[in-house]
Amino acid sequence: EAGVAQSPRYKIIEKRQSVAFWCNPISGHATLYWYQQILGQGPKLLIQFQNNGVVDDSQLPKDRFSAERLKGVDSTLKIQPAKLEDSAVYLCASSLGAGSFTEAFFGQGTRLTVV
Amino acid sequence: AQKVTQAQTEISVVEKEDVTLDCVYETRDTTYYLFWYKQPPSGELVFLIRRNSFDEQNEISGRYSWNFQKSTSSFNFTITASQVVDSAVYFCALSADYKLSFGAGTTVTVRA
Repeated sequence: EAGVAQSPRYKIIEKRQSVAFWCNPISGHATLYWYQQILGQGPKLLIQFQNNGVVDDSQLPKDRFSAERLKGVDSTLKIQPAKLEDSAVYLCASSLGAGSFTEAFFGQGTRLTVV
Repeated sequence: AQKVTQAQTEISVVEKEDVTLDCVYETRDTTYYLFWYKQPPSGELVFLIRRNSFDEQNEISGRYSWNFQKSTSSFNFTITASQVVDSAVYFCALSADYKLSFGAGTTVTVRA
């Protein structure tokens, strides 16, 4: 079974530029998560989708971050414009069900450096 | 609100020693799930174990074991006879009210 796919693996941009990340979850997984992991910290949830609806985006900086999940499958996360403090690893994860009982499976992440 | 606290920032051991990682959680939900994940240097978070709030039976799986105590809201994880390949950052996570929250992680270094 294929895992969670993310691209690109690495991205370097200048501040105020825009960037987009792509995620393809495990086939059949209804729930998709985007996490931000700053160096030395635990992952912080940015947004959670259930199929193509948003379950939680309370920690998403909506003035600059946006995310969508196309037809309940793939998802893109966009930052526009980027700030230096956005430098982090962006992790996408998916889980089978909507409940709290199913474990999430993670992709390898996209390491973003804003200079 | 839910919160996960991993008080240990770093642990360093010599190979074959046991390593115990502490995790304390907070949630108002009566139904919740607890997880341990491993993040090796490659960066991908790998699921290790899961425990639900109704089952306090402690288990062993290979070199991994866990101690879940609802009375103290703790979910500790032990690696027995550690190996160099166990070197990684370990995260405790809490899933409640459809939200998955992580602790700050504990870096484990196993020296040969």
